[in-house]
Amino acid sequence: NAGVTQTPKFQVLKTGQSMTLQCAQDMNHEYMSWYRQDPGMGLRLIHYSVGAGITDQGEVPNGYNVSRSTTEDFPLRLLSAAPSQTSVYFCASTSGVGASGNTIYFGEGSWLTVV
Amino acid sequence: DAKTTQPPSMDCAEGRAANLPCNHSTISGNEYVYWYRQIHSQGPQYIIHGLKNNETNEMASLIITEDRKSSTLILPHATLRDTAVYYCIRGGTSYGKLTFGQGTILTVHP
Repeated sequence: NAGVTQTPKFQVLKTGQSMTLQCAQDMNHEYMSWYRQDPGMGLRLIHYSVGAGITDQGEVPNGYNVSRSTTEDFPLRLLSAAPSQTSVYFCASTSGVGASGNTIYFGEGSWLTVV
Repeated sequence: DAKTTQPPSMDCAEGRAANLPCNHSTISGNEYVYWYRQIHSQGPQYIIHGLKNNETNEMASLIITEDRKSSTLILPHATLRDTAVYYCIRGGTSYGKLTFGQGTILTVHP
């Protein structure tokens, strides 16, 4: 998963706490996105961005905020963590151009537990 | 429904070909078929993708039916390291938006 870096890798939060999951890519990709994966499930899209200053909601956006001030960074914020947000979070990026389909690169994941 | 249908699990003997089927009967004309795999909850790894024609790369082959309603991922000589969850995904060419199903757990045994 070269090029997409997520931090932290592991985090334990108390209910009601806030935190930010960081995501950075060095491939100059316009498109970035956040997914969550619950046990035994596939990934679900939380938010995505088509470029600096532009974000939109995915399938499961509630409880999460995002912003995209630079091409490289796409942080995911939990304003008031809930146990239902215990999950593994993956950041992804793609060049999103061209007619040949686009490979999407994923980070290694951030394991979040809310107690 | 933008999801695909895959068998929940499959087994394959080491050294043999693994053929993973996927149904995407409602796929639209501009949607690609992507295959990713995930090993031990690591980040999903890209394998291959295609639109209409069969595709082959160093990892696998992708066979898409003429009506595009289904496809098959072929790992020609499966190894133990190919044990993973394999996701068949349909997606457009922009925004990096993919809709994951539950995938197929492929177990390669000696």
